[in-house]
Amino acid sequence: KQEVTQIPAALSVPEGENLVLNCSFTDSAIYNLQWFRQDPGKGLTSLLLIQSSQREQTSGRLNASLDKSSGRSTLYIAASQPGDSATYLCAVRGLGQFYFGTGTSLTVIP
Amino acid sequence: NAGVMQNPRHLVRRRGQEARLRCSPMKGHSHVYWYRQLPEEGLKFMVYLQKENIIDESGMPKERFSAEFPKEGPSILRIQQVVRGDSAAYFCASLATGQGFLYGYTFGSGTRLTVV
Repeated sequence: KQEVTQIPAALSVPEGENLVLNCSFTDSAIYNLQWFRQDPGKGLTSLLLIQSSQREQTSGRLNASLDKSSGRSTLYIAASQPGDSATYLCAVRGLGQFYFGTGTSLTVIP
Repeated sequence: NAGVMQNPRHLVRRRGQEARLRCSPMKGHSHVYWYRQLPEEGLKFMVYLQKENIIDESGMPKERFSAEFPKEGPSILRIQQVVRGDSAAYFCASLATGQGFLYGYTFGSGTRLTVV
C-alpha cells in the first residue's frame, strides 16, 4: 500500500524567504502527483500537477519537482508572503485513488 | 463552470440520526471520489464511484456508510445512525471522464459534519 510522508509537519518562516516542502512516497508506480493548499476550515485548492513522465512544473512563485525513482517530490515557494500561510498537501495517484500525506502547516510571519 | 459543489457546508446531527452529504461533480466529470478528514489527521480515501457504479469502496466502513452516484443527480454519501466519531470534514473530488490518469482532482469545499 502506498504511504506518503511530508516533512516538516510545521514550518514558520519570515516573509520573503524561499522555502522547500518535502514529500516522499513508498511506491514509485504512480501516474501523477498533485500539490494542494488547504486553508483552515476550507477545501483543497490544486496548486500543481506533475505527470509521472515529468520532472517539474511551475506556476508563478511555485515550483514542484518529481523524482519518481527515489519516491520524492519537493514544492519550492519563492519569496514567501503571509498569504501563503496554509497547510500544503501532497497526493500521489496510482491505479485508482490518490494517497495523501498529512501535510505541512506553513506560517509566513510578516 | 461552478466547480465541484458540495452541500450542505455544515451539518449537525444527533447521535443515531442519518446524515446525507451531496456532491455534484464538475460538468462533464463522471468520476467521483469521497474522502474523510478527521481533526488533526490527513485525508483518507473512502469510495470511488462512476455513474451508477461503485468502483472501489475499500476505504468505506463496512457498516452504516453507503454511497451512490445515480445516472441523474448528485453523488450521495449516506451515514446511518451517526456516532460522535463520524464528526469530520467530508470532501468530494471529481475527475474528467476517460482521461482521469492525465488529470488531477478538483475538490469541493467539503461538508463538515458534527455529531452531538
